[in-house]
Amino acid sequence: AQSVTQLGSHVSVSEGALVLLRCNYSSSVPPYLFWYVQYPNQGLQLLLKYTTGATLVKGINGFEAEFKKSETSFHLTKPSAHMSDAAEYFCAVSVAKAAGNKLTFGGGTRVLVKP
Amino acid sequence: SAVISQKPSRDICQRGTSLTIQCQVDSQVTMMFWYRQQPGQSLTLIATANQGSEATYESGFVIDKFPISRPNLTFSTLTVSNMSPEDSSIYLCSVDWDRGTDTQYFGPGTRLTVL
Repeated sequence: AQSVTQLGSHVSVSEGALVLLRCNYSSSVPPYLFWYVQYPNQGLQLLLKYTTGATLVKGINGFEAEFKKSETSFHLTKPSAHMSDAAEYFCAVSVAKAAGNKLTFGGGTRVLVKP
Repeated sequence: SAVISQKPSRDICQRGTSLTIQCQVDSQVTMMFWYRQQPGQSLTLIATANQGSEATYESGFVIDKFPISRPNLTFSTLTVSNMSPEDSSIYLCSVDWDRGTDTQYFGPGTRLTVL
């Protein structure tokens, strides 16, 4: 069965510092991988996704993630944190099912940005 | 991407009552999903709703508790029946926008509090 592990339920970064959110997955087949962001009292917004091709994917708001098959990882980074990046971030992997593909989510990482 | 709306955005309900949550999409989509996000936790898939067929429920969720309708390609409802305080959660609908990549887009969520 597929699963997703996000290391660190809370991350605190200073404004302007590197943001690094870790995600490891397990999958018996090549996965599709996603990062979503959830701002307070809002739904989930797609940040970026990896399906095939280039392993370094760029998303919105300056975020990027790199798919590393050998490490079964899909870590999310942003070179310079902004106050508006304070939110909860979810990594997800696509799981193929007979009834249609579904997403399995990691536990989430809440990011606090300090001025 | 799809524009997804949910009604109500939030509600406070009494134990033993039922609440129906609506999800509207601005384009026709084949698959819609309903998720539950309990306080401080990640997302758990409740069921997948395809137009013209019965919803497919995940382990731990049953139709009597969470009946779902999918009358057309742009609309779905989820009912939370005979509510208890343990049902207090955010309920989110999503749509499978790009079948080739399993990308899902989410509505803003319905924040439910059961007293």
